[in-house]
Amino acid sequence: SQKIEQNSEALNIQEGKTATLTCNYTNYSPAYLQWYRQDPGRGPVFLLLIRENEKEKRKERLKVTFDTTLKQSLFHITASQPADSATYLCALVGSSASKIIFGSGTRLSIRP
Amino acid sequence: GAGVSQSPSNKVTEKGKDVELRCDPISGHTALYWYRQSLGQGLEFLIYFQGNSAPDKSGLPSDRFSAERTGGSVSTLTIQRTQQEDSAVYLCASSLVLAQSNEQFFGPGTRLTVL
Repeated sequence: SQKIEQNSEALNIQEGKTATLTCNYTNYSPAYLQWYRQDPGRGPVFLLLIRENEKEKRKERLKVTFDTTLKQSLFHITASQPADSATYLCALVGSSASKIIFGSGTRLSIRP
Repeated sequence: GAGVSQSPSNKVTEKGKDVELRCDPISGHTALYWYRQSLGQGLEFLIYFQGNSAPDKSGLPSDRFSAERTGGSVSTLTIQRTQQEDSAVYLCASSLVLAQSNEQFFGPGTRLTVL
């Protein structure tokens, strides 16, 4: 069955460092991979999307990589700030777009 | 509207009662999704609508769950004879069209507690 895993439940990073979150998947060939941010008591907010034929995507301090051979995506936040503290979810989108599979998320804490 | 809205924001019910959850998507968005999120868990896909049509109901946890969408806009998720394991946050999302590259815009969710 399809499975998606995010590297750890929680990650604590010192302010100013680069935070790296991992998303691994099995038994799936996604056409797209998306990353969302979720704050407590709120719905997820879309951050970035990367296509299967793209290796890397950047947006301001965010960088996403997508390795379809390793079946892995890495999500980087450079120059991290306490305001970046949240849960980050990766999501796989298949060819039909009708179903998106979400990971359970990684709770990121940036300490001052 | 400005964003996806959901009502009620919180619902506490007794086991065995029926509940109805409402989602108002962003105006003009044709695709609508329902998810369930249990404490500390990821989002569990339930059902999607393209317009008023829901072609695949296989994600619904049991036949106690049903959903409908009317006028290509508002959607309701109904849970009959609620059980304690139905307790979760129910999230609704919409996107402009049903396309792989479209981001989903999520509502704030309805927190359902079944006593």
